[in-house]
Amino acid sequence: EVQLVQSGAEVKKPGESLKISCKGSGYNFSNYWIGWVRQTPGKGLEWMGIIHPGDSDIRYSQSFQGQVTFSADKSISTVYLQWSALKASDTAMYYCARHRDTSSVDAFEIWGQGTMVTVSS
Amino acid sequence: DIVLTQSPGTLSLSPGDRATLSCRASQSVSSSYLAWYQQKPGQAPRLLIYGASTRATGIPDRFSGSGSAAALTLTISSLEPEDFAVYYCQQYGTSPLTFGGGTKVEIK
Repeated sequence: EVQLVQSGAEVKKPGESLKISCKGSGYNFSNYWIGWVRQTPGKGLEWMGIIHPGDSDIRYSQSFQGQVTFSADKSISTVYLQWSALKASDTAMYYCARHRDTSSVDAFEIWGQGTMVTVSS
Repeated sequence: DIVLTQSPGTLSLSPGDRATLSCRASQSVSSSYLAWYQQKPGQAPRLLIYGASTRATGIPDRFSGSGSAAALTLTISSLEPEDFAVYYCQQYGTSPLTFGGGTKVEIK
């Protein structure tokens, strides 16, 4: 079964760092782009960018460039989303999602279950 | 950024009814790069349609997509109880990729 499994919910304080993960299985992990999508009640679904696990090619949304860091470790079929200094406005559900095909331009067919990140003092 | 406007915001229908959901883009986007997703409470979105009209793997044929970025439509021919959810359109042809605000299909 093709699936993405994300790390568990996190509660952090403003200014803390955080790295959440997304592990793929059931397919050739290195071949498919994986994206990150933020969901909040106020702004809905927001595309943060994509990473290619095979060569770590990354395309950030300008809205998130410099605010987060994507990385990948293809040896363990895992991609990461990282913050160096969290803000309350980072409170959201974060989804990883895999492209339908191997193209860099595609819809998201496989989704992780989501990681809820809460930032509060 | 390309803004996707979905209408109506909420659709109140009964099982067996036909649902017609609309999405309009603020700028031109190739219909090859338009998608629809379904999201139920507590779940991740699920891809229904890509390329404006192609059903994703395992999607029942009661779901159909048509149109272009100027007027994109998702039709559910006969609502099943499990179809009551929120539906989002997406364009993936121009960065940043964007999603519509969603249409909630609720039980009347």
